[in-house]
Amino acid sequence: NAGVTQTPKFQVLKTGQSMTLQCAQDMNHNSMYWYRQDPGMGLRLIYYSASEGTTDKGEVPNGYNVSRLNKREFSLRLESAAPSQTSVYFCASSARPGTEAFFGQGTRLTVV
Amino acid sequence: ELKVEQNPLFLSMQEGKNYTIYCNYSTTSDRLYWYRQDPGKSLESLFVLLSNGAVKQEGRLMASLDTKARLSTLHITAAVHDLSATYFCAVHFRDMRFGAGTRLTVKP
Repeated sequence: NAGVTQTPKFQVLKTGQSMTLQCAQDMNHNSMYWYRQDPGMGLRLIYYSASEGTTDKGEVPNGYNVSRLNKREFSLRLESAAPSQTSVYFCASSARPGTEAFFGQGTRLTVV
Repeated sequence: ELKVEQNPLFLSMQEGKNYTIYCNYSTTSDRLYWYRQDPGKSLESLFVLLSNGAVKQEGRLMASLDTKARLSTLHITAAVHDLSATYFCAVHFRDMRFGAGTRLTVKP
């Protein structure tokens, strides 16, 4: 089983460029999440989608937008990348809010 | 706002020794998770703790939850090198919040 699939795995952007990180899950989960991981700071929630058709801000939403395209897919968009957005981004999904989350392999993003 | 604090953040152990990682959280929650992350890899779920007094064990790791104290512990028994990783606790309130992680290194 694929589980949670993220693309791309690595990306280098120039300051001001835009890009979309893609995430898809095949576990029929209702809830999906985007986190960023920075050294010494654990994982911080950017946005989440409790169910198809809903999205909510997490701890660090500024500079990001999300789209819950359908039940399977949840994308994260950086409209104008900044060096402070250099991080590893993880997508996760769970059956419903608060239940065990399953993580993708991560996207390592560098903004220069 | 929910805050999740882990300590220690770094832990260097000798093989065969025991140690405990602590996870404190600031708001009442009905569930707590422990995850493991190997360097450069994703997160793997270890334990789900759903009620006060819950205890789960897998091999050399044992997790417990005290909801009244808002405290969870991850106890390592007779550590081996393969346990070297970063361990995260995560608490559900309105969403899932993670601690900063404990980087564990087990030395021969």
